[in-house]
Amino acid sequence: KQEVTQIPAALSVPEGENLVLNCSFTDSAIYNLQWFRQDPGKGLTSLLLIQSSQREQTSGRLNASLDKSSGRSTLYIAASQPGDSATYLCAVGEGDKLTFGKGITLSVRP
Amino acid sequence: DTAVSQTPKYLVTQMGNDKSIKCEQNLGHDTMYWYKQDSKKFLKIMFSYNNKELIINETVPNRFSPKSPDKAHLNLHINSLELGDSAVYFCASSQGVAGEAETQYFGPGTRLLVL
Repeated sequence: KQEVTQIPAALSVPEGENLVLNCSFTDSAIYNLQWFRQDPGKGLTSLLLIQSSQREQTSGRLNASLDKSSGRSTLYIAASQPGDSATYLCAVGEGDKLTFGKGITLSVRP
Repeated sequence: DTAVSQTPKYLVTQMGNDKSIKCEQNLGHDTMYWYKQDSKKFLKIMFSYNNKELIINETVPNRFSPKSPDKAHLNLHINSLELGDSAVYFCASSQGVAGEAETQYFGPGTRLLVL
């Protein structure tokens, strides 16, 4: 059974910092890995999707990497801004099924 | 235009009642999902449908019955509501063939509170 872990559960940083959010998973036989953002009281917004054959994906200030063999992914956020404050969820895709971590709640202080 | 919409946004009801949550997507996607996010914010898949056919059923009690009248709609009916059903329910959709995991687009969620 796939288990996805995100540590720490919460993170607070000053504006402008570059930061890394970590995700680990137990079963490396995955189709893809997705990073989502969830704002309080809102639904999820897909940020990046990395196929199992890829090593990384980039979108603007975000870069996600995937190391299947070690069961790890990281989401790198460059030059963080207060608007980046949200919960970031990692989800491992196996077929149609996504298994989510519990998320990391990020607070970027002005 | 909202890509994935859910109604109602909030639902407060008594134990034992039957309720439905509706979901519609206007993205032309073939696959739709229901997820449950519990009080600890843990998000877990419940069902997925591809072209109106059930693909995934993650050991959800049979009090929960999804219904897909067409591929743009996936409604969730819950019988005999229990306190533990209180959660946020998210609908999502993705393009493509079942088994090819692609980007999923989520609705805003329905916050269910069972009293």
